[in-house]
Amino acid sequence: AQSVTQPDIHITVSEGASLELRCNYSYGATPYLFWYVQSPGQGLQLLLKYFSGDTLVQGIKGFEAEFKRSQSSFNLRKPSVHWSDAAEYFCAVGPPIYNTDKLIFGTGTRLQVFP
Amino acid sequence: EAQVTQNPRYLITVTGKKLTVTCSQNMNHEYMSWYRQDPGLGLRQIYYSMNVEVTDKGDVPEGYKVSRKEKRNFPLILESPSPNQTSLYFCASSPRTGLAGVSVEDEQYFGPGTRLTVT
Repeated sequence: AQSVTQPDIHITVSEGASLELRCNYSYGATPYLFWYVQSPGQGLQLLLKYFSGDTLVQGIKGFEAEFKRSQSSFNLRKPSVHWSDAAEYFCAVGPPIYNTDKLIFGTGTRLQVFP
Repeated sequence: EAQVTQNPRYLITVTGKKLTVTCSQNMNHEYMSWYRQDPGLGLRQIYYSMNVEVTDKGDVPEGYKVSRKEKRNFPLILESPSPNQTSLYFCASSPRTGLAGVSVEDEQYFGPGTRLTVT
């Protein structure tokens, strides 16, 4: 069955520290991969996406993610976290072939940033 | 401005009282979808629509109805709400074209959410 796992429910970092949020997926083929951010009281905003090609993708707000096929992972990183990055982050996968348009979301990782 | 709008943003209602949450997008997207977000469960798809008059069930469709009479609108209808439908609801749209054509614009654009409480 297709699934997305975000093993960390809650992460706390200090402002200026580096960040890595983990995402693992289970899928029959290489899916399309996404990271969304949800700020408090807001909808979801796309940070970045991977379809093919270079496995290191750059996104908005200084985020990047690396696709590792051998590990079925798509971890999100940021070298220096800002207080405004405090939010909930969702990893999602979509099908490589358009027989369904469903995104499968992970359960999310809540990021707390201390000054 | 390209956006997905939802109304209302907050709603408290009682069990059994029919309600509709509206969703509208101004990007001429073919694909629209409804999700519910619950703590510890992430987002789960309720219903989706590939185009006008084409709708299909997602993972958790029970207790919900949808319609797609116009391309821009995709209302979510709860005929007889129950407390287990208390949740945060998101509408999303995407320009995907499905099997008829492959689009790399897979990004789904999300509305701001509707927080529903059923007592």
